[in-house]
Amino acid sequence: NAGVMQNPRHLVRRRGQEARLRCSPMKGHSHVYWYRQLPEEGLKFMVYLQKENIIDESGMPKERFSAEFPKEGPSILRIQQVVRGDSAAYFCASSNAQGSYNEQFFGPGTRLTVL
Amino acid sequence: AQSVTQPDIHITVSEGASLELRCNYSYGATPYLFWYVQSPGQGLQLLLKYFSGDTLVQGIKGFEAEFKRSQSSFNLRKPSVHWSDAAEYFCAVGYSGGGADGLTFGKGTHLIIQP
Repeated sequence: NAGVMQNPRHLVRRRGQEARLRCSPMKGHSHVYWYRQLPEEGLKFMVYLQKENIIDESGMPKERFSAEFPKEGPSILRIQQVVRGDSAAYFCASSNAQGSYNEQFFGPGTRLTVL
Repeated sequence: AQSVTQPDIHITVSEGASLELRCNYSYGATPYLFWYVQSPGQGLQLLLKYFSGDTLVQGIKGFEAEFKRSQSSFNLRKPSVHWSDAAEYFCAVGYSGGGADGLTFGKGTHLIIQP
């Protein structure tokens, strides 16, 4: 049973370009969370999605960032017009039910570097 | 709002010695508490979790943690560390009041093992 998959593992973009990060949850999981980890920091919650729905986006920056989790295919975190401050590791986690007491399984992360 | 404090940024321990990593949280109700470990370039792996009941919880890899409500603490312990325990350790709090499901993480403690 494959774990949470994220791709690409490393992504380099120039300022102003778009970044697309993909996350395939564990088999049977329909709940996806995105977190951002800045250097020397802990993970910060960004957004929580279920299939075709955004449930909680309280940690998502208001501009340039968007997320989706379509009925078919992986969850996508999209960053438009990237800036140097977007450089970070972005982690996806999945769970099999709603509620923070349900274990979240983390992917290996995508490390975004903005030149 | 909930918050997590890990007061030790770095800890160095000799192989075979005991370990205690500190975690304090701020939350208005009984929290869900987690410890995760992150090896370099990897995602997070759950070590153990506390929801209710016995305040001393056992986890994987020989780790345990004790929930102390009076001190708002959830310290991680291991009686004898191995070189393979060198990693970043994160304490996290989950929201038990319904609604938000993202975890709140501390900034992490970097564990260094001396031979």
